[in-house]
Amino acid sequence: KQEVTQIPAALSVPEGENLVLNCSFTDSAIYNLQWFRQDPGKGLTSLLLIQSSQREQTSGRLNASLDKSSGRSTLYIAASQPGDSATYLCAVGTWANAGKSTFGDGTTLTVKP
Amino acid sequence: DAGVTQSPTHLIKTRGQQVTLRCSPKSGHDTVSWYQQALGQGPQFIFQYYEEEERQRGNFPDRFSGHQFPNYSSELNVNALLLGDSALYLCASSRQGNNQPQHFGDGTRLSIL
Repeated sequence: KQEVTQIPAALSVPEGENLVLNCSFTDSAIYNLQWFRQDPGKGLTSLLLIQSSQREQTSGRLNASLDKSSGRSTLYIAASQPGDSATYLCAVGTWANAGKSTFGDGTTLTVKP
Repeated sequence: DAGVTQSPTHLIKTRGQQVTLRCSPKSGHDTVSWYQQALGQGPQFIFQYYEEEERQRGNFPDRFSGHQFPNYSSELNVNALLLGDSALYLCASSRQGNNQPQHFGDGTRLSIL
């Protein structure tokens, strides 16, 4: 059974700081990993999708990496802004259950002005 | 280009009642997945529909059922509501295939009294 863990559960940083969010998973037989952002009371906004054959993906100030062998992914946010404050979730899709994504419980990020 | 739309946005029911939630996928998407998200937790996979059939199912009782229509829209039905069914219900759509990103709606907030 795939289990996804995100550490830390909460993070508070001053504006302008670079930061890293972590995601670990127990079953390395994944076909993709997706990072999402969720604002309070809202749905999920897709940030980055990394396919199993890829090592990283970049979009603007965001960079996500994937290391299947160690069961880890990181989301790097450069030059953080107050508007980045949200909960960040990672979701893993495994070959054993194609079509089903397993989510972590998220990291709640607060960027202070 | 409309994204994933869900209705209603909020719903209040009492124990024992039945509820139907609706989802219209993003244009061009043919696969719909439903998730339950309790407060402070990541989404939990309920089931996925493709070609009007349930393709994958998570660890949810038979009280949770669904349907997909020829236009790819979907419904989630929950019978005999329990207090523990109070949650945000999220619909995600994608194109069929293992490396297709999921796009989420804003969800339906279901409260059981």
